[in-house]
Amino acid sequence: EAQVTQNPRYLITVTGKKLTVTCSQNMNHEYMSWYRQDPGLGLRQIYYSMNVEVTDKGDVPEGYKVSRKEKRNFPLILESPSPNQTSLYFCASSAHNTDTQYFGPGTRLTVL
Amino acid sequence: QQQVKQSPQSLIVQKGGIPIINCAYENTAFDYFPWYQQFPGKGPALLIAIRPDVSEKKEGRFTISFNKSAKQFSLHIMDSQPGDSATYFCAASLGDDKIIFGKGTRLHILP
Repeated sequence: EAQVTQNPRYLITVTGKKLTVTCSQNMNHEYMSWYRQDPGLGLRQIYYSMNVEVTDKGDVPEGYKVSRKEKRNFPLILESPSPNQTSLYFCASSAHNTDTQYFGPGTRLTVL
Repeated sequence: QQQVKQSPQSLIVQKGGIPIINCAYENTAFDYFPWYQQFPGKGPALLIAIRPDVSEKKEGRFTISFNKSAKQFSLHIMDSQPGDSATYFCAASLGDDKIIFGKGTRLHILP
């Protein structure tokens, strides 16, 4: 089954404790991205990647890091999480950024 | 500017009515305009998309109208049903670049 998986689905952590949210797709897609969804602000792109070893900043990259060492994986790293990073995070993949984006199920992150 | 402005923020329509959600963009270089539908607890899923070389696209009960000169596009849902109640996002993208989403419209269809 074609899908995008994210782990964990729910995470509660404390300020400053490094964390990683994993994202994996099995569709051989070139384009992957991370979004955060906040009430009243919609979906905002954090980082995107056009291909392996190619990453670029989206609209809200501050406080986040990503890597794309393999085509299927695109982890999101928060080196020192802060409460304003409490949000619902989605990973998505597509063949190209002008093709259908397939979203993962979401990761709800709470930073205390 | 790379904003996409979506309105209204929320919408309530009777079953069978035609809800209309509007989006406006500023960057004339955008070349792909999708609409995504999101149900509570789920990730967004593509509903319908249009490219700027056509003025209208229909898929089932969903229609996108595109006005290139006005830099606006809209989603119409014909014969709306309670199962269409969801949050809808418009978006715009350009070539090998980022994707910009609108802030979303929460649609509720009354039975």
